[in-house]
Formats: sequence, structure tokens, C-alpha cells
Amino acid sequence: DADVTQTPRNRITKTGKRIMLECSQTKGHDRMYWYRQDPGLGLRLIYYSFDVKDINKGEISDGYSVSRQAQAKFSLSLESAIPNQTALYFCATSDPPGQAFFGQGTRLTVV
Amino acid sequence: GENVEQHPSTLSVQEGDSAVIKCTYSDSASNYFPWYKQELGKGPQLIIDIRSNVGEKKDQRIAVTLNKTAKHFSLHITETQPEDSAVYFCAASRTGTYKYIFGTGTRLKVLA
Repeated sequence: DADVTQTPRNRITKTGKRIMLECSQTKGHDRMYWYRQDPGLGLRLIYYSFDVKDINKGEISDGYSVSRQAQAKFSLSLESAIPNQTALYFCATSDPPGQAFFGQGTRLTVV
Repeated sequence: GENVEQHPSTLSVQEGDSAVIKCTYSDSASNYFPWYKQELGKGPQLIIDIRSNVGEKKDQRIAVTLNKTAKHFSLHITETQPEDSAVYFCAASRTGTYKYIFGTGTRLKVLA
């Protein structure tokens, strides 16, 4: 089983719909992250959490919200999806001061 | 704000040749510099990392160099093989924030 699991792997949704992307990890790490990947723009940080009671905005948090339900679970929500949120989304975990571990990604298409 | 620039965006090399990817970071307090490889349909995976207290690190065909004064770090892949073809990302992070700021990626193609 993967250390960081994202669901769903692919999703097509309509403009204005609410959608949630889920992430769970078995690494036992406190730190979890949501990144968005767009061609030519690399990985941009949406939100990050250093423990269950801690939520921080990243560089592109507008239009997104997150929930840290437990140490192992960190979900990303789009309250009202728009086409420019079409992207590849990655969840990651880390334990300082070392490497980040990424999930397989969720490809989201907003039509 | 914090920024990491990565060049080139695409790189094609002949099998067996070397490949070099360069990154520049803006936050002088950054002290951890990982490199990630992303294969098609997969999430990024760490291939090598370096901390600010060393200038170079090697792992078989892969090496990373760090110049703190210039705020540059580079990935060197020698004797490239077709399986090295992927997108490579550099990143910078620092103690206290543990946010990873990523470069924009380099698509490496190794031509057989």
C-alpha cells in the first residue's frame, strides 16, 4: 500500500459544484501539504498543516479550503469549482527536517 | 516572497552524456535543498538532497552542488540512461517553516 493515498485519482466536475479531494497517510508524519501542479508553473503550495490544530495558507489558497480531520487525514475542498482550477493536485507529508513524500496525485477537470 | 528559479525548462541529451539542471533560490535562510523526479502519472519522488552545511553530495550517477553565497544549487546526472527521462523539480526549505518552495520543473529527455 502507498504511504500517501489520494482519492479520487481522477475527477471531472461542473463549474459551481463543491468537490472534496481526500488524502490519507501511513507515515505517521505531523506535517501535511496540498500542492497544485500546472504545466510550466511547477508545484505551488495551497495549504499546509503542521498538526491537527494547525492550518496555514500557502501561496494560492484563494478558492480552496482544507480540513485536518486527524493526524493521518487532510482534505482539500473547492467550494465552488471554476475552470481555472483544472489541474493536478498533490498531497504530501513530511517529518522535519527531511524529505516530503507525495501521493500519486488527483487529476481534476472543471468543465 | 520566497522564490526558486529553475533552468532549463526542457533538456535533451544523448544516452551516456551528462545532464545539468540549475536552480536559484531567494530566501537566504533556506537550508535544505531536495531534488525530486516525477515520472508520468506519478507523484514526485526524492532522488537526492543537500543541506546548507555541505557543498556537494553524490549518490552513484547523481550529484548535487550548493553555492550558498550565490544561492545556487545544481543537479548533475552522469552517464544518462533512457530511464532518467522524467520531470525534475528542485526545492528549497528552511528550518521553522518547513514549507517546500519548488522550481518550475525541467523535462529531461534522454535520447537512445
